[in-house]
Amino acid sequence: AQSVTQLDSHVSVSEGTPVLLRCNYSSSYSPSLFWYVQHPNKGLQLLLKYTSAATLVKGINGFEAEFKKSETSFHLTKPSAHMSDAAEYFCVVIRISGGYNKLIFGAGTRLAVHP
Amino acid sequence: DADVTQTPRNRITKTGKRIMLECSQTKGHDRMYWYRQDPGLGLQLIYYSFDVKDINKGEISDGYSVSRQAQAKFSLSLESAIPNQTALYFCATSDTQGARGEQFFGPGTRLTVL
Repeated sequence: AQSVTQLDSHVSVSEGTPVLLRCNYSSSYSPSLFWYVQHPNKGLQLLLKYTSAATLVKGINGFEAEFKKSETSFHLTKPSAHMSDAAEYFCVVIRISGGYNKLIFGAGTRLAVHP
Repeated sequence: DADVTQTPRNRITKTGKRIMLECSQTKGHDRMYWYRQDPGLGLQLIYYSFDVKDINKGEISDGYSVSRQAQAKFSLSLESAIPNQTALYFCATSDTQGARGEQFFGPGTRLTVL
């Protein structure tokens, strides 16, 4: 069965330093993987998605993620954190079930950015 | 204007009360979903609907019911609210042709059951 594990529940960085949010997945077939972001009091917004094309995926706001099959990972990175990046981030894998693509969410990683 | 809207945005109610959360979308999508979010658990699927006549239970449907009044409207009801239904509830939509399952989320409804 498909699942994701987000390895850190909280990450804290200083503004201008790199961001790394870790996600490992489990899938019996080539997965589709997403990263969503949730800002306080806002809905979830899609950051980026991997659907078996290029393994390095670029998303919005300078984020990118690399699909590594050998490591079953899909870590989210950004070279330089901005205060506006403070939010909760969810790694998501698709499970094909009952004729539709079901989203399986990780538990989330809360990113704090300090001045 | 937002593509997926939810009303109310916040609601406080008492145990045993009936509550309805509403979701509307202007994306023209066939598929709609209700999730609840609890701290440390990510999002869990309550119900989903492929079209007006096709409604399906998700992982945690007990204590909830839904109604798909039109393609654009999908309501979630708690027939008799209990405190452990205190959570953040999200509605989402997707296109049957969408890119491998991408869903679009509303802003959420924060429900507190006292």
